[in-house]
Amino acid sequence: GNSVTQMEGPVTLSEEAFLTINCTYTATGYPSLFWYVQYPGEGLQLLLKATKADDKGSNKGFEATYRKETTSFHLEKGSVQVSDSAVYFCALPGNTPLVFGKGTRLSVIA
Amino acid sequence: DSGVTQTPKHLITATGQRVTLRCSPRSGDLSVYWYQQSLDQGLQFLIQYYNGEERAKGNILERFSAQQFPDLHSELNLSSLELGDSALYFCASSVDSDLKYNEQFFGPGTRLTVL
Repeated sequence: GNSVTQMEGPVTLSEEAFLTINCTYTATGYPSLFWYVQYPGEGLQLLLKATKADDKGSNKGFEATYRKETTSFHLEKGSVQVSDSAVYFCALPGNTPLVFGKGTRLSVIA
Repeated sequence: DSGVTQTPKHLITATGQRVTLRCSPRSGDLSVYWYQQSLDQGLQFLIQYYNGEERAKGNILERFSAQQFPDLHSELNLSSLELGDSALYFCASSVDSDLKYNEQFFGPGTRLTVL
């Protein structure tokens, strides 16, 4: 079935640093791809999505491009802030409505 | 605020007991999903209901059951609780089952502690 693999954390960055969180997927066909974010003490919320190959999803300064050649959907942000500290999940539809990666914890220090 | 509400926020109980977690989806959303989040297992999908009917089943134990009522709220029942059931339980909702275009909105979760 469909699955995602995302880089293990935790990731610790200084404010204004560049962020990349890697996500690769295995899927039948070309399903939609998602990044969800979980801020401390909260539920997950959709950060961005891409519904077809070569699409770029973007939101709050974060971007991810759906690359079928490398089966990847890496999350990037040019300049992180302390408020970006959270756990980030890559996801796609699969045997269950959404299959989530294990999550990558990001800590941004001032 | 996602519009999804879950009660209670925290629940502490003993092994062998039974608890009920409640979820109210966003207004207009017909689909409800339940997830379990623990440190060692990550985020695990339990079960989905759509307009009162079970739509998909994940790694839900036989000791657990759920239902969605006519007013679309949902309850997750956990019985014969074990220490390993301690986790965060999330409810999510979406307009329908097609997640290609309709995102899931997550509630704030219920933290269950089994002592």
